[in-house]
Amino acid sequence: DAMVIQNPRYQVTQFGKPVTLSCSQTLNHNVMYWYQQKSSQAPKLLFHYYDKDFNNEADTPDNFQSRRPNTSFCFLDIRSPGLGDAAMYLCATRRGLANEKLFFGSGTQLSVL
Amino acid sequence: QKEVEQNSGPLSVPEGAIASLNCTYSDRGSQSFFWYRQYSGKSPELIMFIYSNGDKEDGRFTAQLNKASQYVSLLIRDSQPSDSATYLCAARLQNEKLTFGTGTRLTIIP
Repeated sequence: DAMVIQNPRYQVTQFGKPVTLSCSQTLNHNVMYWYQQKSSQAPKLLFHYYDKDFNNEADTPDNFQSRRPNTSFCFLDIRSPGLGDAAMYLCATRRGLANEKLFFGSGTQLSVL
Repeated sequence: QKEVEQNSGPLSVPEGAIASLNCTYSDRGSQSFFWYRQYSGKSPELIMFIYSNGDKEDGRFTAQLNKASQYVSLLIRDSQPSDSATYLCAARLQNEKLTFGTGTRLTIIP
C-alpha cells in the first residue's frame, strides 16, 4: 500500500500557467520534503517542513511556494512555470529528525510546454 | 566543491560479479550516509544507511564508511540484471538536510 502518495503522476502545464502538485502521507510523519530532480541530476531540496515549521532552501526560486495545511498533506505551487522547471518532483517524509529513513512518493513528472 | 560526489559512470559489471560504487563527501560534520537505488522514471528507494566507521552488511549489499577519508562505498555481491539502476549516495549534514550525489549508473551485463 502506498504510504506517500503524489498526484498526478504526470502533469503537463503551459509556460507561465500556475500549477500545483500534491503529496499526501498515511504515516503521520512530522517531516515532509520537496525535491526537484532533473534528468541525470541529483535530487535537489527545495523545502522541508518539520510539523508546521517551514524551511526554505536559500537557492529555491521565489517562483516556488509550498503549503502544508495539516500533517497529511503538502503542496508545491509553481506560480509561473518556465521551461527550466520541467523535472521530476519528489515528495518525501520522515518520522522525525532523529529517525533516519526517508520515504519517497512515486514522484510527479512535470512537463512545461 | 560539491557536497556529495560520485562518479556518474556508466559502470558495467558482469552478472554474478561484485559491483563497487564509491562516494566522497566534503562536510566532516556529516552524521549519516545513505545509498538509494533509482530505476529510470521512478523515485529513489533506500538500500542501506550507515553512520559508524566500518562495514554494514545486509544480504548481498555491504556499505563501508571511512570518516577519516570522507569516503562511503556500496558493494553489491552476486550482481543481478535487476540491480541495473542509478545508485544515489546521500549524506545527512549537520543541519539535518539530506544531500544527494548525482548518482552512478550501474549496468549488469548478463
